[in-house]
Amino acid sequence: DTGVSQNPRHKITKRGQNVTFRCDPISEHNRLYWYRQTLGQGPEFLTYFQNEAQLEKSRLLSDRFSAERPKGSFSTLEIQRTEQGDSAMYLCASSLEWGGSEVLFFGSGTQLSVL
Amino acid sequence: GENVGLHLPTLSVQEGDNSIINCAYSNSASDYFIWYKQESGKGPQFIIDIRSNMDKRQGQRVTVLLNKTVKHLSLQIAATQPGDSAVYFCAEGDGGFKTIFGAGTRLFVKA
Repeated sequence: DTGVSQNPRHKITKRGQNVTFRCDPISEHNRLYWYRQTLGQGPEFLTYFQNEAQLEKSRLLSDRFSAERPKGSFSTLEIQRTEQGDSAMYLCASSLEWGGSEVLFFGSGTQLSVL
Repeated sequence: GENVGLHLPTLSVQEGDNSIINCAYSNSASDYFIWYKQESGKGPQFIIDIRSNMDKRQGQRVTVLLNKTVKHLSLQIAATQPGDSAVYFCAEGDGGFKTIFGAGTRLFVKA
């Protein structure tokens, strides 16, 4: 499978614990995005990378959230001191930006439940 | 309130009929629009896009119509199949981080 891969698919944690998710993008894609999606809503942008540089962060991304893409390939999203309001689907997407257009290819997401 | 998003607009169609899913967008300056399909347990999947200098674009069994005057976008699916059952999102923006997803529409296809 050469699509975007996310691990784990599901994560259940207790409030206050730290969690880390991983995303492996499509290999030739230079951009990598993190989104959050709650039930019945469209995805909401969190942050994105161009190669290893984090270029944009949403106001939704509190200081408990941190994302890295150390070698410009896979990325991790860490949430520290999780809260019940962090329960959501966390989606990763990658793209190859060209000529001002880009199409996002999404992974299947990591479903986080904070108890 | 928080529960509004749980009640997705729903469209139920008979297999073989045509489906039309509508979307109103907010920013009159948006020049790029995308439709995504999201099946249960999966991430959104690109279906078709259109730029603001066009009012119609056709793909395989799908057509997107853009009416800039009333800021309205529609997705037409011809000969709807059970595999088309999913939540459909319209999105406006640049396709990248400025993309804003609208509220989805759930499509049920009855056999």
